[in-house]
Amino acid sequence: EAGVAQSPRYKIIEKRQSVAFWCNPISGHATLYWYQQILGQGPKLLIQFQNNGVVDDSQLPKDRFSAERLKGVDSTLKIQPAKLEDSAVYLCAPPGSGNTIYFGEGSWLTVV
Amino acid sequence: KQEVTQIPAALSVPEGENLVLNCSFTDSAIYNLQWFRQDPGKGLTSLLLIQSSQREQTSGRLNASLDKSSGRSTLYIAASQPGDSATYLCAVSPSNDYKLSFGAGTTVTVRA
Repeated sequence: EAGVAQSPRYKIIEKRQSVAFWCNPISGHATLYWYQQILGQGPKLLIQFQNNGVVDDSQLPKDRFSAERLKGVDSTLKIQPAKLEDSAVYLCAPPGSGNTIYFGEGSWLTVV
Repeated sequence: KQEVTQIPAALSVPEGENLVLNCSFTDSAIYNLQWFRQDPGKGLTSLLLIQSSQREQTSGRLNASLDKSSGRSTLYIAASQPGDSATYLCAVSPSNDYKLSFGAGTTVTVRA
């Protein structure tokens, strides 16, 4: 069964501070995606993992964002230093059942 | 770069009316197109997935059509109910993975 655990659910930080989000996909699928959803917009792909390796990080702002996948299961997404425009929901998404992708409720970030 | 547009941005209808939601994309070289539903503060739920070789998909009161050559998809929701109130997003994928390009969504309100 598909599913994902993310933490923290909510985080408020000041600009230029750092934050880290953790994801554990319950299904243990080899592929994992991080998406960023800014209020009023659709999700935007940040990075795709296949096991521990990065497949596509072309849309990841690498000057401030970093991500890794540990032992092909858990993943972390870090932002340092945060900017106001990083305020968004960060969605960790593994493949789900029925040839689709599973999006959980995500981690909500507010940068003030 | 793939651009996905959804019109209208918001829609309000009385209960029982049929809903028509539009999605257009600029690059017709897609592998599939999906429609998602998002409730406030929640994750995304996949509603329908249409492969590029298909013309439509149906699930209950929902029907989605795809015209790949013209870069358009339409989601029809028959006999709308207040429980259908949500944001509906369409997304396209260029290959058999989940690197999705999303539209900004159409927010639907069904009035009782």
